[in-house]
Amino acid sequence: EPEVTQTPSHQVTQMGQEVILRCVPISNHLYFYWYRQILGQKVEFLVSFYNNEISEKSEIFDDQFSVERPDGSNFTLKIRSTKLEDSAMYFCASSGTSGRPILYNEQFFGPGTRLTVL
Amino acid sequence: AQRVTQPEKLLSVFKGAPVELKCNYSYSGSPELFWYVQYSRQRLQLLLRHISRESIKGFTADLNKGETSFHLKKPFAQEEDSAMYYCALSGGETSGSRLTFGEGTQLTVNP
Repeated sequence: EPEVTQTPSHQVTQMGQEVILRCVPISNHLYFYWYRQILGQKVEFLVSFYNNEISEKSEIFDDQFSVERPDGSNFTLKIRSTKLEDSAMYFCASSGTSGRPILYNEQFFGPGTRLTVL
Repeated sequence: AQRVTQPEKLLSVFKGAPVELKCNYSYSGSPELFWYVQYSRQRLQLLLRHISRESIKGFTADLNKGETSFHLKKPFAQEEDSAMYYCALSGGETSGSRLTFGEGTQLTVNP
């Protein structure tokens, strides 16, 4: 069964450094998402992406964050200058094949990337 | 604004006992409600959604719009049900398909 994959599984970086988290969504899916979960807190939506552009973003997703689908298979989240409070588990998800309303599509999650900012 | 509340962080029951994981939500429109489960060292996966009105692994959940609740129930808990359970909400088409999660409930089923 196809799965969403994410690399790396764990990333350690110094404050102020740029990081790129990578995701390979399920191949025929059209909608892509990033969520994060700070330790001990709830899973929070960051951004959704459809048709090569951001369709929605949360207040967390500020100018330090960007997303890209560079080659038709990867979906990346870049944090330009990491802060201590960016330490979290980052989940990628994908959903949606053509012909169904967005609302009723199950989101399939990747295993997550644990980002530690020192 | 959309919000999901799961009042119990931890829930412990014995095998064979009934279990109910509570979920309340606030949303001004007609939401779509989901339960996601995360077993130890595994990814988040969909357990069930209210629109399907199905029972998965013996679990059911009924959307009660009057009480704005979507509690997850199982009449006879099994040890393999031990996991983290997240209630989630998705708004109508005008607000897109973002999922808003509750805080999660860690269910432990004891032998």
